[in-house]
Amino acid sequence: NAGVTQTPKFQVLKTGQSMTLQCAQDMNHEYMSWYRQDPGMGLRLIHYSVGAGITDQGEVPNGYNVSRSTTEDFPLRLLSAAPSQTSVYFCASSHDTQYEQYFGPGTRLTVT
Amino acid sequence: KNQVEQSPQSLIILEGKNCTLQCNYTVSPFSNLRWYKQDTGRGPVSLTIMTFSENTKSNGRYTATLDADTKQSSLHITASQLSDSASYICVVSWKTDYKLSFGAGTTVTVRA
Repeated sequence: NAGVTQTPKFQVLKTGQSMTLQCAQDMNHEYMSWYRQDPGMGLRLIHYSVGAGITDQGEVPNGYNVSRSTTEDFPLRLLSAAPSQTSVYFCASSHDTQYEQYFGPGTRLTVT
Repeated sequence: KNQVEQSPQSLIILEGKNCTLQCNYTVSPFSNLRWYKQDTGRGPVSLTIMTFSENTKSNGRYTATLDADTKQSSLHITASQLSDSASYICVVSWKTDYKLSFGAGTTVTVRA
């Protein structure tokens, strides 16, 4: 049981490039979400999904897209990277909105 | 304004000593309050989850308290160990939707 996995662990992009951050979970959780964590701030919700085929925006969705074609996978796409998107990105999953969330190890992204 | 405020921002304690972290929140309606431990370079890991009807919950040397009337919570670490060095994050769950409000965290450093 691997829990929540994220790839890559580190990534450097140039401004304007696009990329996809991968997230997968093997716990059959319906709820998955993406957060970004910046120094001195709490985690902020980017996008979330309550099940396959259903996604919605969180607090800071601009510049990011998501899709949920399967229960297991929830990729996050950066459409045109900007320096303001330099951050650490965490994927999380849970059985239900009110249950414990399990976080992945994070992806550290730098945009130059 | 962040709806979850944590204090202190950071603290240093000697191994074997106790410490208490504070969390004040304004989230309403409130469903549950969670404390997470985040080691450097890792994703957050759940320590406790408390509903509004619970006053205290323990997880080993970690004890969380909740006063839903004053909207305050604390996390007490007993007999600290070097492995307790981490960031501790208070998270409050909204009752009405899939939304979590994160505190910025308290960084604890335990010194031998």
